[in-house]
Amino acid sequence: GQSLEQPSEVTAVEGAIVQINCTYQTSGFYGLSWYQQHDGGAPTFLSYNALDGLEETGRFSSFLSRSDSYGYLLLQELQMKDSASYFCAVGSGATNKLIFGTGTLLAVQP
Amino acid sequence: KAGVTQTPRYLIKTRGQQVTLSCSPISGHRSVSWYQQTPGQGLQFLFEYFSETQRNKGNFPGRFSGRQFSNSRSEMNVSTLELGDSALYLCASRSGTSGGETQYFGPGTRLLVL
Repeated sequence: GQSLEQPSEVTAVEGAIVQINCTYQTSGFYGLSWYQQHDGGAPTFLSYNALDGLEETGRFSSFLSRSDSYGYLLLQELQMKDSASYFCAVGSGATNKLIFGTGTLLAVQP
Repeated sequence: KAGVTQTPRYLIKTRGQQVTLSCSPISGHRSVSWYQQTPGQGLQFLFEYFSETQRNKGNFPGRFSGRQFSNSRSEMNVSTLELGDSALYLCASRSGTSGGETQYFGPGTRLLVL
């Protein structure tokens, strides 16, 4: 089967750094994406890794290790507005089907 | 560019009815995917359309169907609604090249089945 596992909840304080892990098991791999979703809102794209290594976009970084079927999202200088759900997703096949992880609810405390 | 739009935003139906949801992708995007989001099952892929053709389909019963028009707008239909169909239905658009990275999601249609 295909599955992506994430921690269900993470809590951190403003200004801190937090890492959200994602381990996946999929047939066919077309890169690992990260999406942010505020309560009741639309998922918004954060980052994408097609190859091993680190991708940095402002306060957000994402890492991928294909040999370990593992990736993570790193959020630095946390702000209250970063409180949201974060999903990893794997592209599957030569289409735009995304398989989403279970989601991690990040709570940023003052 | 305007983002992905979905109508209606909220909908209440009763069991046995059918419903049609609409999605207008970002201008120039030819691919539209649909997802169902529930607290229990998370985000699940329903189907994807590209240039009016269904390219991929998730593991949903035949009551769930969709189509795409020549202007790339897409509709999904759910017939004989069940209580378990209550969910947030999201559509996402992409320009259409292969791979699964950046997709742009609409605000969703929240469907409640009573």
